[in-house]
Amino acid sequence: AQSVTQPDIHITVSEGASLELRCNYSYGATPYLFWYVQSPGQGLQLLLKYFSGDTLVQGIKGFEAEFKRSQSSFNLRKPSVHWSDAAEYFCAVGASGGFKTIFGAGTRLFVKA
Amino acid sequence: GAVVSQHPSWVICKSGTSVKIECRSLDFQATTMFWYRQFPKQSLMLMATSNEGSKATYEQGVEKDKFLINHASLTLSTLTVTSAHPEDSSFYICSARVQYGTTNTGELFFGEGSRLTVL
Repeated sequence: AQSVTQPDIHITVSEGASLELRCNYSYGATPYLFWYVQSPGQGLQLLLKYFSGDTLVQGIKGFEAEFKRSQSSFNLRKPSVHWSDAAEYFCAVGASGGFKTIFGAGTRLFVKA
Repeated sequence: GAVVSQHPSWVICKSGTSVKIECRSLDFQATTMFWYRQFPKQSLMLMATSNEGSKATYEQGVEKDKFLINHASLTLSTLTVTSAHPEDSSFYICSARVQYGTTNTGELFFGEGSRLTVL
């Protein structure tokens, strides 16, 4: 069965510092992987996705993520965090053909000045 | 990207009443939509998969008689919380999957969410 683990419930980084949010997944085949961001009281916005090909994917707002099959990981990174990046981040795994998308528990990012 | 609109954003109702939440795909046709429930500071819990023209598929533990889902057209799915009680208070989010030609990428587009408060 699909599952997603985000080990960090919350992370605090200083503005301008680099960021890495961890995500590990469990899936029997090559998964479709996603990172979504949610601001308080809002729906989710897709940051980036991986289906196949280059394992380093670029997303919006300067985010990138790297798919590592050997580690079953899809960590999200950003070289320099801005205060507006403070939000909840969800990693998700899914598949084509109408299969369900499963979300991780989320990581709350706090940005300090 | 594709746009999904959800209405209302906020709703407060009395215990025992029913509340309907709409989810519309504005610029694409969505044969499948998904309804999630999110408790404060928690992840999204999939409630059901809404299929256009057929019955919804509910996840285990979700009461289908309490959470009525109707997907009457390719652009509209509705969730009706019947006889709502305070424990039904939550943030409900819908999403739709976009299909490009014959390719289903699995990518979801989300509505803005609806905050339900049952007094």
